[in-house]
Amino acid sequence: EVQLVQSGAEVKKPGESLRISCKGSGYSFTSYWISWVRQMPGKGLEWMGRIDPSDSYTNYSPSFQGHVTISADKSISTAYLQWSSLKASDTAMYYCARVYYDSSGSNWFDPWGQGTLVTVSS
Amino acid sequence: EIVLTQSPATLSLSPGERATLSCRASQSVSSYLAWYQQKPGQAPRLLIYDASNRATGIPARFSGSGSGTDFTLTISSLEPEDFAVYYCQQRSNWPPEDTFGQGTKLEIK
Repeated sequence: EVQLVQSGAEVKKPGESLRISCKGSGYSFTSYWISWVRQMPGKGLEWMGRIDPSDSYTNYSPSFQGHVTISADKSISTAYLQWSSLKASDTAMYYCARVYYDSSGSNWFDPWGQGTLVTVSS
Repeated sequence: EIVLTQSPATLSLSPGERATLSCRASQSVSSYLAWYQQKPGQAPRLLIYDASNRATGIPARFSGSGSGTDFTLTISSLEPEDFAVYYCQQRSNWPPEDTFGQGTKLEIK
């Protein structure tokens, strides 16, 4: 079974750093990109960026460029999303998703991780 | 940047009725559009890819259509478990980024 399993919920203070993880199993981890998606409380889905685990090449949404870092360790089939200095506005659910993509333009997310809730509060 | 606009924002229907959800792109995305379902407290789930292909395990009552800028997700006869939020999604080649629509909430009337 193809699945992505994310790390558990986090409660942090403003200014703290954080790294959350997404571990893939049941498929060749380096054959598919991983994307990260934010969902703020009661809001919709926002694409943050993606990584190619085979070479760690990344794309970021302009809205998130410089605010987060996406990385991967292919030896343990795990992707990461990290912040160096959290803000209260980073409070949200964060999902990882495996990306199907081909050169024709076909692109979709399946499956998704279960989500990691990040709460930033003083 | 391609913007996806979903309508209506909220759709109130009864079980057994037909649901028609719309997603309009600000420029052509060919047929490269996906639909997702999200229930409260759950991660999104892929329903439709490439505008009209059902994902594995998705019931036949779900269908997608459209190309270019106008797309439709149709649920032929609503089941109680179909009441959820639905999102469309596409990827632009340049700049290379993914975009989601703002979502349509399908609620029980």
